[in-house]
Amino acid sequence: KNQVEQSPQSLIILEGKNCTLQCNYTVSPFSNLRWYKQDTGRGPVSLTIMTFSENTKSNGRYTATLDADTKQSSLHITASQLSDSASYICVVSELAGGYQKVTFGTGTKLQVIP
Amino acid sequence: DGGITQSPKYLFRKEGQNVTLSCEQNLNHDAMYWYRQDPGQGLRLIYYSQIVNDFQKGDIAEGYSVSREKKESFPLTVTSAQKNPTAFYLCASSIGKLDTQYFGPGTRLTVL
Repeated sequence: KNQVEQSPQSLIILEGKNCTLQCNYTVSPFSNLRWYKQDTGRGPVSLTIMTFSENTKSNGRYTATLDADTKQSSLHITASQLSDSASYICVVSELAGGYQKVTFGTGTKLQVIP
Repeated sequence: DGGITQSPKYLFRKEGQNVTLSCEQNLNHDAMYWYRQDPGQGLRLIYYSQIVNDFQKGDIAEGYSVSREKKESFPLTVTSAQKNPTAFYLCASSIGKLDTQYFGPGTRLTVL
């Protein structure tokens, strides 16, 4: 069964500090990997998307990396802000029967405190 | 103002009643999806539609039904057959089946 596992489950950091969230997956055949940010009680919003050939992708203070050989991805947040407090979800896609089947991780809940 | 909308934001239902959740998009996307989110679990796919008048079951379709009569609309009905319907429901759409999914704000359904 294809899985996407994220760590840590939750994280508390001080405003201004950096942090790194991890995502390991077993999805195969791999199509792409996305990171989403989900504020409490809201829908997820896409941050980055990476295909097999991409190692890194940035979106402002967010930088995602991908190692397709080890099936690992990370999301690095630089100079955290209070507004970064949210759940971060790793989503891995595979092509199955002409349809993009996505598997969602359970997310890392990040809290940034002043 | 383009986007994907869901209504209502909060919904309460008595046991044994059917209820329909609305999802509308004006992004001209072909594909639409319904997910369910429970605490401590990843989003799980209920139904998806790649084109008008066509839809497919996802991983947890039992107790749910959908229709896709218009490109812009993909309503989800939670029937009395769904044994544990209390959850946060998310609708999404994408240009095509391989593209990034854009999510609505969600509907929190509580069964009393």
